[in-house]
Amino acid sequence: IAGITQAPTSQILAAGRRMTLRCTQDMRHNAMYWYRQDLGLGLRLIHYSNTAGTTGKGEVPDGYSVSRANTDDFPLTLASAVPSQTSVYFCASSVTGGYGYTFGSGTRLTVV
Amino acid sequence: QKEVEQDPGPLSVPEGAIVSLNCTYSNSAFQYFMWYRQYSRKGPELLMYTYSSGNKEDGRFTAQVDKSSKYISLFIRDSQPSDSATYLCAMGSNDYKLSFGAGTTVTVRA
Repeated sequence: IAGITQAPTSQILAAGRRMTLRCTQDMRHNAMYWYRQDLGLGLRLIHYSNTAGTTGKGEVPDGYSVSRANTDDFPLTLASAVPSQTSVYFCASSVTGGYGYTFGSGTRLTVV
Repeated sequence: QKEVEQDPGPLSVPEGAIVSLNCTYSNSAFQYFMWYRQYSRKGPELLMYTYSSGNKEDGRFTAQVDKSSKYISLFIRDSQPSDSATYLCAMGSNDYKLSFGAGTTVTVRA
């Protein structure tokens, strides 16, 4: 089934640890995005990539980094996790210039 | 002030009622308007997409955009328990990045 796969589904992480959230899509979409979803704040863009080899910062990029080595994969790394990064993280993709995002099922991250 | 304001609800209606959801926005550059539906513990899925001011219908769903008032609405007719979800408005300009509202949680009671 075409779509986006995110891993892990959930994780409890000790503060200060490094963590990579994985995102893989099989739709050959050029654009990919990472959002975090927090109660009352909705979805906020962390980082994005319009095409393989390029990335950009979103609304809340601090403490996060991304890479886009190929079309299909867009991992999100927390270099040193802090409790304020407790959230649900969604990866999404779209065709270039398209707003019909396809979202993954999310990663629930708790930093303690 | 956030770019996109959406009343989080929650909203509870009886089956068969009309559900009315709305968002306001402040960024005049927004040209594309969407509604996403998100079931519990799932990712959002695109429900409606519109570009121009006016109404767009798709089955029981109607999306309405008023650019002069910076106001968008989603109406769900003949609501069903399966419509129980969180509804997110989203908006974009020519940079192809979306700004989302906080989401309104809707419960349709059987």
